[in-house]
Amino acid sequence: SYDLTQPPSVSVSPGQTATISCSGENLAYKYVSWYQQRPGQSPLLVIYKDNKRPSRIPDRLSASTSGNTATLTISGTQAVDEADYFCQAWESTSVVFGGGTKLTVL
Amino acid sequence: QVQFVQSGPDVVKPGASVKISCRASGSTLTPNTLHWVRQNPGQGLEWMGWINAATGHSKISQRFQGRVTLMKDTSATTVFLELSSLTSDDTAVYYCAREVIESFGELLSLHFDSWGAGTRVTVSS
Repeated sequence: SYDLTQPPSVSVSPGQTATISCSGENLAYKYVSWYQQRPGQSPLLVIYKDNKRPSRIPDRLSASTSGNTATLTISGTQAVDEADYFCQAWESTSVVFGGGTKLTVL
Repeated sequence: QVQFVQSGPDVVKPGASVKISCRASGSTLTPNTLHWVRQNPGQGLEWMGWINAATGHSKISQRFQGRVTLMKDTSATTVFLELSSLTSDDTAVYYCAREVIESFGELLSLHFDSWGAGTRVTVSS
């Protein structure tokens, strides 16, 4: 089966830049999406097609893919960004999610 | 943007089945494809399968084949997930989510732009 690997946790100070990685075999040849999930809420799409942002998502969130790793970057991190983040890709007729990364804004 | 309303039982007994519904608020589900994703307590997201609301065609994740049935009602306003032979490992929040898909040659972009609020199912005697 295909796996997407994320770090379990990332910590960042307010105003700093947070980066969350997502690694998978041949990820450069797949489109990656990212979801934000705050406690008690449903996942929210924040990035699709590697680096596209839905209209309601602030431009502080961006993403890129290089080689086998996709990266979600949050610039000028705010307390409201504290959440779990999941990457997602499509592989051989199946949807695959990364294990999720808990972003803590200290 | 379309909203999805979910409903289903809260507590079910081990060995039983659970049926969860997902309907579009104020409209039909067609021509959308809806996916089901679950989240065990404190865990990540796990994909279960999809169903096309217009055709009824579906695909189940290999992990759940034999236990999951996806179906729609005749008016295509509601889709259902039925999960059988429940164990405590099936205690989770179950989400329906709408697929957005684009094909670029051999590459496929698939993401979920709208999610239901989730249905919490606890398997307990």
